[in-house]
Amino acid sequence: AQSVTQLGSHVSVSEGALVLLRCNYSSSVPPYLFWYVQYPNQGLQLLLKYTSAATLVKGINGFEAEFKKSETSFHLTKPSAHMRDAAEYFCAVRVSGSARQLTFGSGTQLTVLP
Amino acid sequence: EAQVTQNPRYLITVTGKKLTVTCSQNMNHEYMSWYRQDPGLGLRQIYYSMNVEVTDKGDVPEGYKVSRKEKRNFPLILESPSPNQTSLYFCASSELGGTSTDTQYFGPGTRLTVL
Repeated sequence: AQSVTQLGSHVSVSEGALVLLRCNYSSSVPPYLFWYVQYPNQGLQLLLKYTSAATLVKGINGFEAEFKKSETSFHLTKPSAHMRDAAEYFCAVRVSGSARQLTFGSGTQLTVLP
Repeated sequence: EAQVTQNPRYLITVTGKKLTVTCSQNMNHEYMSWYRQDPGLGLRQIYYSMNVEVTDKGDVPEGYKVSRKEKRNFPLILESPSPNQTSLYFCASSELGGTSTDTQYFGPGTRLTVL
């Protein structure tokens, strides 16, 4: 069975600073990996996804993530945080051939300080 | 506009009073799913449906029922709600399930409180 661990339930950064949100996965077969963002009082929106085409994946709003098989990681980064990036971020994994779709991590709340 | 809609958005009810949360998508998606979101636990899948009349249990199905009589609708039914079902519920849909890597689209959520 697959699982996802997000290190750090709360992360605070200053505006303009690097954003790094950590995600480690566990899967016995090559996974598909996703990052979703949830703004206050809204549903989840896809930021980016890894589908084995390229290890460095670029998403919306300037975010990107790198798949590192040796580290079983898929950390999310953004070079310069903006106030509008304040939200909750979820990493999710899905195993090819699984009909049960996504297994989510517990989420990381990102706060951006002025 | 392509979207997943849920109703109601907010609901306060009492223990044992049957309720239904509706979910509808206008994208002709085959796959639909229900999740609940609880603090510190992320989203957990309740039930999913690969297509009309095809449903299956997710990780936390106890106390819930679903049906898929039409492709666009996937209602979540709580026959006898209990306080531990107080949560934020999300419906989601995607074009295909199974081996595809398609994006899942989420509804705006339904905040349920069971007293």
